[in-house]
Amino acid sequence: DGGITQSPKYLFRKEGQNVTLSCEQNLNHDAMYWYRQDPGQGLRLIYYSQIVNDFQKGDIAEGYSVSREKKESFPLTVTSAQKNPTAFYLCASSMGGWLQPQHFGDGTRLSIL
Amino acid sequence: DQQVKQNSPSLSVQEGRISILNCDYTNSMFDYFLWYKKYPAEGPTFLISISSIKDKNEDGRFTVFLNKSAKHLSLHIVPSQPGDSAVYFCAASANMKGAQKLVFGQGTRLTINP
Repeated sequence: DGGITQSPKYLFRKEGQNVTLSCEQNLNHDAMYWYRQDPGQGLRLIYYSQIVNDFQKGDIAEGYSVSREKKESFPLTVTSAQKNPTAFYLCASSMGGWLQPQHFGDGTRLSIL
Repeated sequence: DQQVKQNSPSLSVQEGRISILNCDYTNSMFDYFLWYKKYPAEGPTFLISISSIKDKNEDGRFTVFLNKSAKHLSLHIVPSQPGDSAVYFCAASANMKGAQKLVFGQGTRLTINP
């Protein structure tokens, strides 16, 4: 089945630790995205990538880093510099370009211990 | 500065009736609009979209209307079914060299009552 896989579903982090969230897609999509959702709010864009080895900052990139070494993979690292990392993180992908809807994985909930 | 707003946090509709969810935007550069449905602890599911060159798009029970002069879009679901109970997000993007940076509203929780 084609789709977007995010792992793990739940993740706990101690203060001061970096943590990496996985996102893999087998849809052969060119573009991939990371969003964050906080309670009662909409999704906010963290980073996005239109092609391999290239990525751009979104609206709230501070304290996060990404890589895009393979077309199907777009991992997100939440660094210790991110002051409020507890949130629901969603990865998406699309064909890229105009009029192409983004499709989402089921998310990873990150909590600070 | 919220560029996309869903002013109704919740909506309750009787099964079989029409559900109308509303969304307003402020950025006149937005040219592509989407609606997503989301269940708790899951990712959003794409429902329907519309480009700025149209004012209506229909897919089964779902119809999206776009009023560019009012910067307003709405999603109509008819007839409403219990399985439609979820949070609905509208999103918008502006075409920027192929990059599609979606801006989301805060969501509207739709409850369909039997």
